[in-house]
Amino acid sequence: DTGVSQNPRHKITKRGQNVTFRCDPISEHNRLYWYRQTLGQGPEFLTYFQNEAQLEKSRLLSDRFSAERPKGSFSTLEIQRTEQGDSAMYLCASSETGLTEAFFGQGTRLTVV
Amino acid sequence: KQEVTQIPAALSVPEGENLVLNCSFTDSAIYNLQWFRQDPGKGLTSLLLIQSSQREQTSGRLNASLDKSSGRSTLYIAASQPGDSATYLCAVRLGGFKTIFGAGTRLFVKA
Repeated sequence: DTGVSQNPRHKITKRGQNVTFRCDPISEHNRLYWYRQTLGQGPEFLTYFQNEAQLEKSRLLSDRFSAERPKGSFSTLEIQRTEQGDSAMYLCASSETGLTEAFFGQGTRLTVV
Repeated sequence: KQEVTQIPAALSVPEGENLVLNCSFTDSAIYNLQWFRQDPGKGLTSLLLIQSSQREQTSGRLNASLDKSSGRSTLYIAASQPGDSATYLCAVRLGGFKTIFGAGTRLFVKA
């Protein structure tokens, strides 16, 4: 296992379309996080999973956003009816239980045109 | 509400110089603080993690300190190299697993 993997790396979509991103965490990590990063800013927390349970969601995660981690392994983040304001880098991270280091993937850059 | 501020926003130094990046946070009730490096268009690479009970951590040419009571952390980079050019982000871990990031310091090391 070489780290956190995110697919696709880049996605260009038309406004109003739905998009789905995938994150494969480090295999022994039971915690998984999604963040959104816009240009010139630090990442902003979106949501967090412990195994398959989604334990926390940011108010940034509107009704158009949904995240799942069905078997406690990979996770998907879906955005419905995309808007231009959704254009950003979407980052996934994973960690072990406890106050341990978080490891990030390379991100998925979404451009909504 | 926890806020994380990084100063300076951008920094340009000649190769070989020692430098310090600053991070401040408003609420000292943190579990840990992590420094990351981000290259343009890429994800984050973890550099150092300091638990709330620790004062500093070192890795190679990097040294990070934490003063919880004053809400400050510094990242010291010794003998900077052009390959150190990147954005450096600090992040504080709160209860409930949420992590708050600063906006980063963009570092450029001139050869």
